[in-house]
Order: sequence, then structure tokens, then C-alpha cells
Amino acid sequence: KQEVTQIPAALSVPEGENLVLNCSFTDSAIYNLQWFRQDPGKGLTSLLLIQSSQREQTSGRLNASLDKSSGRSTLYIAASQPGDSATYLCAVNKEYGNKLVFGAGTILRVKS
Amino acid sequence: DTAVSQTPKYLVTQMGNDKSIKCEQNLGHDTMYWYKQDSKKFLKIMFSYNNKELIINETVPNRFSPKSPDKAHLNLHINSLELGDSAVYFCASSLQRPGAGNTIYFGEGSWLTVV
Repeated sequence: KQEVTQIPAALSVPEGENLVLNCSFTDSAIYNLQWFRQDPGKGLTSLLLIQSSQREQTSGRLNASLDKSSGRSTLYIAASQPGDSATYLCAVNKEYGNKLVFGAGTILRVKS
Repeated sequence: DTAVSQTPKYLVTQMGNDKSIKCEQNLGHDTMYWYKQDSKKFLKIMFSYNNKELIINETVPNRFSPKSPDKAHLNLHINSLELGDSAVYFCASSLQRPGAGNTIYFGEGSWLTVV
């Protein structure tokens, strides 16, 4: 059974700092991995999707890496801003289709 | 111009009632989902429909019944509501293309409270 763990559970940083969020999964046989952002009272917004054959994806100040063999992914946020404050969720997709298995998330707070 | 919209956003109801949550997507996607986020904030898939056909059905009580009148709509009906059904229910949609990045788009959630 696939399990996804995210560390840390919560993180508070000053504005401008670079930070790394970690995600690990127990079954390396995945189809893809996605990072989402969830704002309070809102739905999830997809940030980055990495296919199992890829090593990383970048979008603006965000960079996600994937090491499938070790069951790990990281989300790197450069030059953090208060608007980045949200819960960040990692989810793995075991097979073709979107039967995502989610981690519990990392609550990020960027202080101005 | 919300891509995935679900109604109602908030629903408070008594135990034993039957309720529905509606979901519509205007993205032209062929696959829709219902996810449940419990009090511990874990998101878990409940159902998935592809072109109106059920393709994923997790171990969800049969009091929960999804209905897809067309591929742009996936409604969730819940019978005989129980206290443990209180959660946030998210609708989502995506395309299903082999080898493609099937980015999934979520609605804003429906907060269900059973009292």
C-alpha cells in the first residue's frame, strides 16, 4: 500500500528565504508525482507534475525534483514571498489515471 | 469562469438526511473525480468516472452514490448521513491521455457538517 509522507509538517520562514519541502513515498512504482498548493477555504491548485521518467520540473520560482528509486521528491521555492503561504501537498499516481495518493501536507508561512 | 465548480460550498444537515453535492467542469475533460478530505486533512479518492463510466470505486460505503449524467457533470449523493461523513468533499477533473501529464484540476470544495 502506497504511503506518502511530507516533512516538515509546518514551516515558518522570513520573506526572501529559499526553502525545501520534502516528500517521500513507499512504493517507487509510480506513474507521476504532483505538487499542489491549497489555500485556506479553497481547492487545490496544481503546481508541478513530474512524470516517472523525468528528474525535475521548473515553473518560475518553483523547482520540483524526483528520485523515483529512493522514493523521494523535493519542492524548492526560491526567494519566498508572503503570498507563498499555503499548504503544499505532494501526491503520487501509481498507475495510468489519477488515483492520487496524497501526503498530509506542509503548512508554509512566509513572514514579511 | 470557474473551471471546476461545485455546489453547495457549505452544507449543514442532520444525521439520517439524504443530500447531494453537484459538480460541473467546463474544461472539456473526460474524467471526473470525487475526493474526501477528512479532519486530519488527508485527501483520499472516492470515485472516478471516465466518459460517464465508473473506473475507480474505492472502499466507500454504498450510502455514497456518484451519478454522471454527462461527462461534464459528476454529482455525489449521500444517503442516511452519519456524523463521520463530516468532511470537505472535492470534485476534480482531468484528461486521460496515455503518456501525458494528466494535470488534475480541483474545485473549491464542499464543506459538509453532519449534526
